[in-house]
Amino acid sequence: DAGVIQSPRHEVTEMGQEVTLRCKPISGHDYLFWYRQTMMRGLELLIYFNNNVPIDDSGMPEDRFSAKMPNASFSTLKIQPSEPRDSAVYFCASSPDVPTGTFSGNTIYFGEGSWLTVV
Amino acid sequence: TQLLEQSPQFLSIQEGENLTVYCNSSSVFSSLQWYRQEPGEGPVLLVTVVTGGEVKKLKRLTFQFGDARKDSSLHITAAQPGDTGLYLCAGVDNAGNMLTFGGGTRLMVKP
Repeated sequence: DAGVIQSPRHEVTEMGQEVTLRCKPISGHDYLFWYRQTMMRGLELLIYFNNNVPIDDSGMPEDRFSAKMPNASFSTLKIQPSEPRDSAVYFCASSPDVPTGTFSGNTIYFGEGSWLTVV
Repeated sequence: TQLLEQSPQFLSIQEGENLTVYCNSSSVFSSLQWYRQEPGEGPVLLVTVVTGGEVKKLKRLTFQFGDARKDSSLHITAAQPGDTGLYLCAGVDNAGNMLTFGGGTRLMVKP
């Protein structure tokens, strides 16, 4: 399997511009997660989907952020308008199971990340 | 929301040395995972522990889950430069909250 595929790997954009990050999860995984990683805040869960439906978006910083999953093989995370404080590495991950409660430890597979710099 | 604290935050050692990193919380976890993240990559799962007091070994890495299931440790024997990376613990509590990651320990092993 090709693993979780993210694009772009790197993006530099000017403040105010729209940014769209893309993700293709592992085939057959019912759960898709978007994380953001910074030195200051570590790895934060932004939103996750189950069978293409957003389940919990409480981690989304503000209305400038939106995520969609139109089908089982594609998801986007959009930032509009972007700000310098959005600079971070954004990871998409997928899993066959949801890591809560009686989670048995199924692996969450991370993509290689999208490195975003907003200047 | 549970909080996972990892220590130390940074660790720089020479090849061949032993080290231990810690993951602590005031919450009880139903399971706890350790990930390693190499520069420019996403985190990769190393191990999952689910039973209090459980010890798991992965070559030179030894993982222990505390008896009370509130803490965990990772011990590396005879560290090698290939062990360099960010080590993250992540836990699932009994209250139904989503898997939460600690802040990580950034390890550098010098040849």
